[in-house]
Amino acid sequence: GEDVEQSLFLSVREGDSSVINCTYTDSSSTYLYWYKQEPGAGLQLLTYIFSNMDMKQDQRLTVLLNKKDKHLSLRIADTQTGDSAIYFCASGAGSYQLTFGKGTKLSVIP
Amino acid sequence: DAGVIQSPRHEVTEMGQEVTLRCKPISGHDYLFWYRQTMMRGLELLIYFNNNVPIDDSGMPEDRFSAKMPNASFSTLKIQPSEPRDSAVYFCATGDGLNTEAFFGQGTRLTVV
Repeated sequence: GEDVEQSLFLSVREGDSSVINCTYTDSSSTYLYWYKQEPGAGLQLLTYIFSNMDMKQDQRLTVLLNKKDKHLSLRIADTQTGDSAIYFCASGAGSYQLTFGKGTKLSVIP
Repeated sequence: DAGVIQSPRHEVTEMGQEVTLRCKPISGHDYLFWYRQTMMRGLELLIYFNNNVPIDDSGMPEDRFSAKMPNASFSTLKIQPSEPRDSAVYFCATGDGLNTEAFFGQGTRLTVV
């Protein structure tokens, strides 16, 4: 089946940039997503990118897509303690065909 | 809209008992998904419905698991009999099929002892 891989942990200092990386196998993915999960909560969509785009910027978030290498990254500028959460990469062709990675736990050190 | 509503938020049950998890989707969403989240396996899609009809249940682990959607505003996931390895957080998510986003409920944390 399709697979999405991401590192499990990332620790950064407050104010630094965070970069969370992800690789996926489904070359037919139309969309690539980043979801955020805070403790005790469900997943919340942060941002997504169409597969025909290379980059998308949304305030402090920058998504980079290398379709050739099937590599996706999420950069959070000026990381804050409120950004501490688990971040999930997902690939799919729409909301009903998502394949999730196992999540990267971001810890922000004050 | 209050979002996707799941109940209960926490469930502790003994092995062998029947467990029923409930989900109320966002009004107007015609796709409903049940996911299971564990440390070992991450987030797995168990089953999804479109217009109350099960479309893909290939993620349902065993016959002990069953899901229903009797109407557009309610779905259940039942485990009978439950086993300790079923302990996980179960999420319900819904979408309108036209949008790219699936909206998640807060999950039910199931512990089978």
